[in-house]
Amino acid sequence: DVKVTQSSRYLVKRTGEKVFLECVQDMDHENMFWYRQDPGLGLRLIYFSYDVKMKEKGDIPEGYSVSREKKERFSLILESASTNQTSMYLCASRGSFPTDTQYFGPGTRLTVL
Amino acid sequence: AQKVTQAQTEISVVEKEDVTLDCVYETRDTTYYLFWYKQPPSGELVFLIRRNSFDEQNEISGRYSWNFQKSTSSFNFTITASQVVDSAVYFCALSEPTGNQFYFGTGTSLTVIP
Repeated sequence: DVKVTQSSRYLVKRTGEKVFLECVQDMDHENMFWYRQDPGLGLRLIYFSYDVKMKEKGDIPEGYSVSREKKERFSLILESASTNQTSMYLCASRGSFPTDTQYFGPGTRLTVL
Repeated sequence: AQKVTQAQTEISVVEKEDVTLDCVYETRDTTYYLFWYKQPPSGELVFLIRRNSFDEQNEISGRYSWNFQKSTSSFNFTITASQVVDSAVYFCALSEPTGNQFYFGTGTSLTVIP
C-alpha cells in the first residue's frame, strides 16, 4: 500500500512565523503535490514537483514556496505565515499517470493566530 | 477552462436509502480523466474510481456505481442501500492528460442517519 505521511496533524503558529510542512511518501513516486482545502472551495493546488529539485506552480502559489531535495520528501514553506493561510493542507504523491492516481496524506490543519 | 461543479453541498439520507451525488465538469481537452474521492472524518482522501474520457461504460463496485455521460458532461455517483460508514465528504475531480493538474469540485458532505 502507498503511504503518504505528513509531519503534523495539527499545527498552531503565529503571524509572521516561518512554517515548514513536511510530506514523505514511501512508493518511489516521481510526482508530489501540495493542496490546500477550504470550506466551499474544495482542494486547490499550490505547487507540484515532478522530480527532485523540480517544481511547478499550481493555482495558488502566492505566499508559499516548496523544496524537494530528496525524491521521497516534499516540503511546503510559508515564509511569513498570515491568518489567511489558516487551512487544511494536503500532500499527495503519484506514480505513472494514468495508470496511477494521486494518493493523499492525512492532512495538516494549520491555524495561524 | 477546467471546472468541476458539485451543486449539492450537503445531503442527509436515512440508512438503507439510495443516494446520488452529482458531478458536472467543463473541459476543452478531448482526453481527460474523471475521479471520485471519499474523505472520511479522519481527513485522508481515499481514491474510489478513475474514468478516462473515452470510456463511457458505467461501472458498479458493490454498493457503488458511477454513471458517466459525455453528452451532459456529468459523472454521477450512486450509493445503493447507504450505510452509516458512507458518511463522508465526496469529491469529484477532473484531470488534464498529464495528470499534473487535478481540478476538484467543492465536495458533497453526505450524512447517513441510522
